[in-house]
Amino acid sequence: SQTIHQWPATLVQPVGSPLSLECTVEGTSNPNLYWYRQAAGRGLQLLFYSVGIGQISSEVPQNLSASRPQDRQFILSSKKLLLSDSGFYLCAWRGGGGYTFGSGTRLTVV
Amino acid sequence: GQQLNQSPQSMFIQEGEDVSMNCTSSSIFNTWLWYKQDPGEGPVLLIALYKAGELTSNGRLTAQFGITRKDSFLNISASIPSDVGIYFCAGSYNNNDMRFGAGTRLTVKP
Repeated sequence: SQTIHQWPATLVQPVGSPLSLECTVEGTSNPNLYWYRQAAGRGLQLLFYSVGIGQISSEVPQNLSASRPQDRQFILSSKKLLLSDSGFYLCAWRGGGGYTFGSGTRLTVV
Repeated sequence: GQQLNQSPQSMFIQEGEDVSMNCTSSSIFNTWLWYKQDPGEGPVLLIALYKAGELTSNGRLTAQFGITRKDSFLNISASIPSDVGIYFCAGSYNNNDMRFGAGTRLTVKP
């Protein structure tokens, strides 16, 4: 069966530090992968999506970037974090009747 | 980017009561999805709708894909305490562009 893994679960980083969040999918090939951000008490904002290796579409201009170095790996990065980057980051893949989400990473920038 | 209008924003109900929430869009969709998110977790798919007019149930949950393809509702009958959480609607036209509502936060009082 297909599963999606996302780590770390929580992260506290100082302003100006780099960021790397990883997402991997098992049990499927060539998945469409997505990164969403959820601010506290808010809805889900689509940040990036990828339909294949090396293919990244960005939804909003921001301090973040994404990469897809392997078919089932999707990485969210930043060179220098801002306070406004705090939030709950969710990776998802298109499957299972809809979008299936990982368990999320809670990022706090201090 | 395009967003969905989801209402109500929050609901406080007594255990045993029925719940109704809905989403509207300014453009038509081919897919409507309803998710539930527990605190600190990723959203979990409850119901997926793929056809205008479709009415689908999942236990005490019932959702409908509006005839106009611009709206959907979710009903929960005989609510119980474990129904507490945030419910999100999501819609897309081409599945690569899934948009989410801002969520309905449900509180169930025993």
